[in-house]
Amino acid sequence: GQNIDQPTEMTATEGAIVQINCTYQTSGFNGLFWYQQHAGEAPTFLSYNVLDGLEEKGRFSSFLSRSKGYSYLLLKELQMKDSASYLCAVLDSNYQLIWGAGTKLIIKP
Amino acid sequence: GAVVSQHPSRVICKSGTSVKIECRSLDFQATTMFWYRQFPKQSLMLMATSNEGSKATYEQGVEKDKFLINHASLTLSTLTVTSAHPEDSSFYICSASAGQGYNEQFFGPGTRLTVL
Repeated sequence: GQNIDQPTEMTATEGAIVQINCTYQTSGFNGLFWYQQHAGEAPTFLSYNVLDGLEEKGRFSSFLSRSKGYSYLLLKELQMKDSASYLCAVLDSNYQLIWGAGTKLIIKP
Repeated sequence: GAVVSQHPSRVICKSGTSVKIECRSLDFQATTMFWYRQFPKQSLMLMATSNEGSKATYEQGVEKDKFLINHASLTLSTLTVTSAHPEDSSFYICSASAGQGYNEQFFGPGTRLTVL
C-alpha cells in the first residue's frame, strides 16, 4: 500500500530552526509537496520537489532524496505565526496526491 | 496567484436535510477539482476527483449517492451532502488544478458543516 510518515507533533522555540521529516512509500513518484495549514483553515502551498536536492525559498527550504524516499522541510528563524500543521504529500504514478497525516508544529516564545 | 472560493464558509443544518457547497476557481479554468474532508486533528481525506463534464471518481468508502458532485463548468464544482447526519459534520475543502501532470492544487478556504 501507499504510505507517508511524518511526526505527529514537534515543538520548537521562536527564532530557532526546526526540521520536519517525511518518508514515503508510493506507487510511482511525480513529486513531493509541502503544505502549511493553520487551524480551521485550508492548506496553503509551500514547496514542490521532483528532483533530488535542496530547494530554498526564504526562511523555508525543502529537501528530497528519491532513492531514500525521504524529504524534509526546514524552517529557519521561527516566528510564532509558523505554529501550524505541515502536510507532506506525494504525487503518485497516477498523478494522485497521497497525503501524510501532518505534523503539528508548536512554537514557544 | 490562482484563487479558489468556497461558499458557504460555515453551515449548520438539521439532520436529514441536504446541503450544497460550491467551489469556484476565480481566475483560471480548473480542469480538475478535488473534494476533501477533514475531521479534527486528522489529515485531509480525498473524497472524490471531478473533471469538467464527466462523472466524478469517488474514493473507496465514499458513498456517491450521499455525496453528489457536479462539475458542470471549468470554474464551478458543487458538492451536495444529501440527508446529512451528525457524523457528516466535518471541514469540507475543495481544491482545483489547471490540468494533469504536475499542477499545483489551489485550495478553497473550506466549509465547516455542522449537522445537529
